[in-house]
Amino acid sequence: QITLKESGPTLVKPTQTLTLTCSFSGFSLTTTEAAVGWIRQPPGKALEWLGIIHWDDNKRYSPSLKTRLTITKDTSKNQVVLTMTDMDPVDTATYYCAHRGRDGSGTYSPYFDYWGQGTLVTVSS
Amino acid sequence: EIELTQSPGTLSVSPGERVTLSCRASQSISAGNLAWYQQKPGQAPRLLIYDASSRATGIPARFSGSGSGKDFTLSISSLQSEDFAVYYCQQYNDWPPITFGQGTRLDI
Repeated sequence: QITLKESGPTLVKPTQTLTLTCSFSGFSLTTTEAAVGWIRQPPGKALEWLGIIHWDDNKRYSPSLKTRLTITKDTSKNQVVLTMTDMDPVDTATYYCAHRGRDGSGTYSPYFDYWGQGTLVTVSS
Repeated sequence: EIELTQSPGTLSVSPGERVTLSCRASQSISAGNLAWYQQKPGQAPRLLIYDASSRATGIPARFSGSGSGKDFTLSISSLQSEDFAVYYCQQYNDWPPITFGQGTRLDI
């Protein structure tokens, strides 16, 4: 059974750096093709993909946020960490981590089949 | 970047009805690299469909996906009360970035 859970601050000040941790179980990021992605959702708005980290440490980021984002993994702890610099009130959102999708034949693709519950981060002074 | 436009924005329907939600891409999506999610208030999105037409594990058969090229649809036959939610499409054909549509809300 795959589960993911996000943790981190609920309130950050403008210009500060946000660090969120995704703790997961039921899979390993040492498994070939496995990956964890980050997606956010401002209140009342649509989903926005932020980035993804793969089993081989290959990372991909949203081009519009690339300069502010870093995603790392700690396979020994089954954790993935998202860092976002220079936070602004427009970054107020629920942040989700999610497992890269895998179909019945074992093929991985970058949709997301398991999601964390999400964590609301508010950016305000 | 592939933009996804979902229509309609909001759909008011009654239980038992059949509905079809649309997702149009700004560029052709090959190999059906498109997924659909359901999101209820206060909850994380739930994967319904991947690869345009494959149902995810545990998803009822009343949910079906179809389409190719730029035009994709999610159909729900015989709406149940628990199906009233927001639905998002997502493309993973040409990325980064992975992109989502703006969502379609199903209201009673």
